[in-house]
Amino acid sequence: TQLLEQSPQFLSIQEGENLTVYCNSSSVFSSLQWYRQEPGEGPVLLVTVVTGGEVKKLKRLTFQFGDARKDSSLHITAAQPGDTGLYLCAGGRDDYKLSFGAGTTVTVRA
Amino acid sequence: DTEVTQTPKHLVMGMTNKKSLKCEQHMGHRAMYWYKQKAKKPPELMFVYSYEKLSINESVPSRFSPECPNSSLLNLHLHALQPEDSALYLCASSPIHMTGTYEQYFGPGTRLTVT
Repeated sequence: TQLLEQSPQFLSIQEGENLTVYCNSSSVFSSLQWYRQEPGEGPVLLVTVVTGGEVKKLKRLTFQFGDARKDSSLHITAAQPGDTGLYLCAGGRDDYKLSFGAGTTVTVRA
Repeated sequence: DTEVTQTPKHLVMGMTNKKSLKCEQHMGHRAMYWYKQKAKKPPELMFVYSYEKLSINESVPSRFSPECPNSSLLNLHLHALQPEDSALYLCASSPIHMTGTYEQYFGPGTRLTVT
C-alpha cells in the first residue's frame, strides 16, 4: 500500500516553464523529504521539511509542507534541462522507515 | 562531506556465485540501510541497521545476508540469487535525531545483473 500519492506520474515541459509536483497522504509524517534521481544513480536529497506550513527555497525550487504534515509540493520556476529526473517524495516515520511516493518523471526539453 | 560510497558500481553474477556489495559512509550516521530498486519504481527497503545492530528485516529472502562490521561500513552478501533479483541496490545512511527526523543520504548504487 502506497502511503504517499504522488502526482503527476509524468511531466514533460519546455525549458523556461514552471512545474509543480504534489505529494499527498492520509497519514501524518514527522518529516518529509524530496529527492531527485537520475538514471542509474542513487537518489539525491534535495530538502527535508519538518514543520507544518514550512516553506523552503533552494534556488529555483520551492518546497512546501502542509499545515497538517500530510502533504507537500515541489514547485520549479523556469525549469532547465538539468532539472530532468525522477522526483521522489518520502515521508519519515518514527521507526527509521521512509514511505516513498511512486515518483514523478520530469523531462525538460531544450 | 555528505557522501555514501558503494562498490562495485556494476556486478554480473551467476545463480551459483557468492558475491558481496559494500557501502561506506564517514558522516557519523548511526543508521544504515539497504534498498532494492527496480526501473522507474521507488526504492524498496530491505534492511535497517541502527547502532550497528539489525533493527529491521523486511522479510527479505535468506539469499541476501547483511552485515555491519562497524559504524561506517555495511555489506550485503549475496548467494544463490535468482534472475528476478537483478536491480539497482542502494545503500543509505541517516543521522538519528531525537525528533524522529531521519533524512537519508543515498549512495550511487550497485547495478546487479543475475544471469
